[in-house]
Amino acid sequence: AQSVTQLDSQVPVFEEAPVELRCNYSSSVSVYLFWYVQYPNQGLQLLLKYLSGSTLVKGINGFEAEFNKSQTSFHLRKPSVHISDTAEYFCAVRLITNAGKSTFGDGTTLTVKP
Amino acid sequence: DAGVTQSPTHLIKTRGQQVTLRCSPISGHKSVSWYQQVLGQGPQFIFQYYEKEERGRGNFPDRFSARQFPNYSSELNVNALLLGDSALYLCASSPQGTGLYQPQHFGDGTRLSIL
Repeated sequence: AQSVTQLDSQVPVFEEAPVELRCNYSSSVSVYLFWYVQYPNQGLQLLLKYLSGSTLVKGINGFEAEFNKSQTSFHLRKPSVHISDTAEYFCAVRLITNAGKSTFGDGTTLTVKP
Repeated sequence: DAGVTQSPTHLIKTRGQQVTLRCSPISGHKSVSWYQQVLGQGPQFIFQYYEKEERGRGNFPDRFSARQFPNYSSELNVNALLLGDSALYLCASSPQGTGLYQPQHFGDGTRLSIL
């Protein structure tokens, strides 16, 4: 079975400051890794994904994440946040053999303050 | 092209009632998955359907059931509703159910409130 742990439930940060949202995962088989963003009353929007290859992946809205296999981590970073980045962020894993089932963490609420 | 569409957007039911939620996948997508997102938690996998067959089921009671139609749309049914069933129900579609990486697209969900 797979599991995902998001280490911070809430992250407050000032506008234009850097931010890191931490994610650890557990799986005995190969998985794909994802970060999603969810705005109030909306579904999930894919920020970025790691499938294979380079461990540093870049996504939309200036976000990037680094896959660390030895530490089983996939932390999300942004060098300078905006007020509009305030949202809920979810880390997820999915077996490479199953396109339909993702396992999610409990989310991190990012609040960007002026 | 339209994304994943879910209906209704909001629903209020009372304990013991039954509910049906609907999902239309992106055109050409044959796999549909359902997730339950309780407030303050991440989405939990309920079902996956691919080519009209159940391909996966999460740890949910038999009160939860689903089906997929020939046009690949799907319905999620929940019987004997409990207060704990209050949640956002998300539908996601992908082109295929198996094989190498398939993008999974999510709808905006149905907000179910149980009184």
